[in-house]
Amino acid sequence: EPEVTQTPSHQVTQMGQEVILRCVPISNHLYFYWYRQILGQKVEFLVSFYNNEISEKSEIFDDQFSVERPDGSNFTLKIRSTKLEDSAMYFCASSEVRHTGGGYTFGSGTRLTVV
Amino acid sequence: DQQVKQNSPSLSVQEGRISILNCDYTNSMFDYFLWYKKYPAEGPTFLISISSIKDKNEDGRFTVFLNKSAKHLSLHIVPSQPGDSAVYFCAASARNTGNQFYFGTGTSLTVIP
Repeated sequence: EPEVTQTPSHQVTQMGQEVILRCVPISNHLYFYWYRQILGQKVEFLVSFYNNEISEKSEIFDDQFSVERPDGSNFTLKIRSTKLEDSAMYFCASSEVRHTGGGYTFGSGTRLTVV
Repeated sequence: DQQVKQNSPSLSVQEGRISILNCDYTNSMFDYFLWYKKYPAEGPTFLISISSIKDKNEDGRFTVFLNKSAKHLSLHIVPSQPGDSAVYFCAASARNTGNQFYFGTGTSLTVIP
């Protein structure tokens, strides 16, 4: 079964450092997303991406965040200068269509720990 | 702004019995509701969905009920199996505000053999 792949599974970084979280969405999917879950809290939307541009973003997705699809397969989330409160599980997801009752396919997540 | 709420952080059920997980929402514009299941160290996995034009959707052991007037939905699992033990997230979206999903905080279900 096709899956969304995220690397690394765990990333530890010092406060103020830049991190790049990587995702390989399902190959025929056109819509890509990043969500995050701070420990013990709800899963929160960060950004959606379609046709090489951001289609929606939340208030969380400020100037410290950026996304990119550098080639035909990877989808990356960059945090420019990490803060302690960026520590969370980051999930990448993809879907074939824009608004789907079938949901997205999520990756297994990257646990980001900022120290 | 907690638009989707799951007020029970945990639930324990005996194997073979029914599990009922509840979810409430505040935004009347939501038109799709989904349940995701999440095991530790894995991403959420889509389980079942319902659109706002229906009040029930069934898939095998899983049934989702939607009560629009009460802004409430529930997931019924019957019979419950030990492999159902996981965290269940309710999520909702509104077509006219984009395609992001708003998630609840999850309910951890434990099915006791």
